[in-house]
Amino acid sequence: AQTVTQSQPEMSVQEAETVTLSCTYDTSENNYYLFWYKQPPSRQMILVIRQEAYKQQNATENRFSVNFQKAAKSFSLKISDSQLGDTAMYFCAFRGYGQNFVFGPGTRLSVLP
Amino acid sequence: DVKVTQSSRYLVKRTGEKVFLECVQDMDHENMFWYRQDPGLGLRLIYFSYDVKMKEKGDIPEGYSVSREKKERFSLILESASTNQTSMYLCASSLSGDEAFFGQGTRLTVV
Repeated sequence: AQTVTQSQPEMSVQEAETVTLSCTYDTSENNYYLFWYKQPPSRQMILVIRQEAYKQQNATENRFSVNFQKAAKSFSLKISDSQLGDTAMYFCAFRGYGQNFVFGPGTRLSVLP
Repeated sequence: DVKVTQSSRYLVKRTGEKVFLECVQDMDHENMFWYRQDPGLGLRLIYFSYDVKMKEKGDIPEGYSVSREKKERFSLILESASTNQTSMYLCASSLSGDEAFFGQGTRLTVV
């Protein structure tokens, strides 16, 4: 069974600074998808970024980018120019052939003014 | 705009009651999911459905059942609510190989 680990339960960053959230996963599959979701205090889960495992190029979405290391089974999220609105829980998720999503335990990020 | 709607945002029920949590999506997605979210544990899969009338158990199905009579609606049923089922419940839907779209969550308290 796949597992997803996020080793940082809580993190904080100063506004305008850069922060990196870690995620590792365990799978024997070769083709899969990885996601980062954000859950602000409103509780609505929002997709931040996605990565297909067959793509070597790291995904980027504006201030958000990932460092995908397939061999190391690592998928970290970098947030540049952090904003107060980035304060949220961040979940790393894996989706393989079995169609289920497997989520990590989450990292609570606080952006400080 | 994509939409997944859960019937209640907050719910308080008594121990032993039968509880229905409803979820509706308007995106014609074949896959629908029910997750339970608890602090430090992330999202744990209760049940998922990949087609009408089809369902599969997730990681924590005990004490729950589901119903999917129509493609757009996926219901989670707590047959006899217990205090250890107090939690946040999230519904999601997706196409195969695509991202999940989530409802706004139902915070259920069982007293």
